[in-house]
Amino acid sequence: GDSVTQMEGPVTLSEEAFLTINCTYTATGYPSLFWYVQYPGEGLQLLLKATKADDKGSNKGFEATYRKETTSFHLEKGSVQVSDSAVYFCALRKNGFNKFYFGSGTKLNVKP
Amino acid sequence: ETGVTQSPTHLIKTRGQQVTLRCSSQSGHNTVSWYQQALGQGPQFIFQYYREEENGRGNFPPRFSGLQFPNYSSELNVNALELDDSALYLCASSLESPSDTQYFGPGTRLTVL
Repeated sequence: GDSVTQMEGPVTLSEEAFLTINCTYTATGYPSLFWYVQYPGEGLQLLLKATKADDKGSNKGFEATYRKETTSFHLEKGSVQVSDSAVYFCALRKNGFNKFYFGSGTKLNVKP
Repeated sequence: ETGVTQSPTHLIKTRGQQVTLRCSSQSGHNTVSWYQQALGQGPQFIFQYYREEENGRGNFPPRFSGLQFPNYSSELNVNALELDDSALYLCASSLESPSDTQYFGPGTRLTVL
């Protein structure tokens, strides 16, 4: 069935370090891929998305590239800030369907 | 523009009871999806309502039911509560269905004792 697998956390980094959070997916067809962020005490917010192979989504310095050949959508940021501390979720939605599949989340802690 | 709101914020129930959670969608949005997020897990799709009709359901038993009203607000009802129903319940609204863009509310934290 359709699913998303992301690296387990927590991930702890120092401010200005490089971030990678791995995400791979299993799906029939060609899904749209997403990264959501959840700050403490808040609901999920869409961070970025990509709707077809080789698309790159980007927002707030975060990037992720839709890699069909490796079924991956890894999240990267060149220089993290303390304010980036949150839980990050990778998700997919199959085109034509309304159901989203979420990974289990990766908690990021950024230390000053 | 008002975002997605949910009530109540927190709720404590005992096993076997029934609960109703409420969600007000963002202005102009006719689609509401409900998710269950267990502690340390990602959200799991429960079902979606589009223009007052159920429009897709995840792997949840029939004791999870819902409604959508003419103003597109929505309710999630859970009967015969079980301990495993303890979770954060999120609703998300979108302009249409299907849609890549959904806006989440802050959630209702349900604890079943």
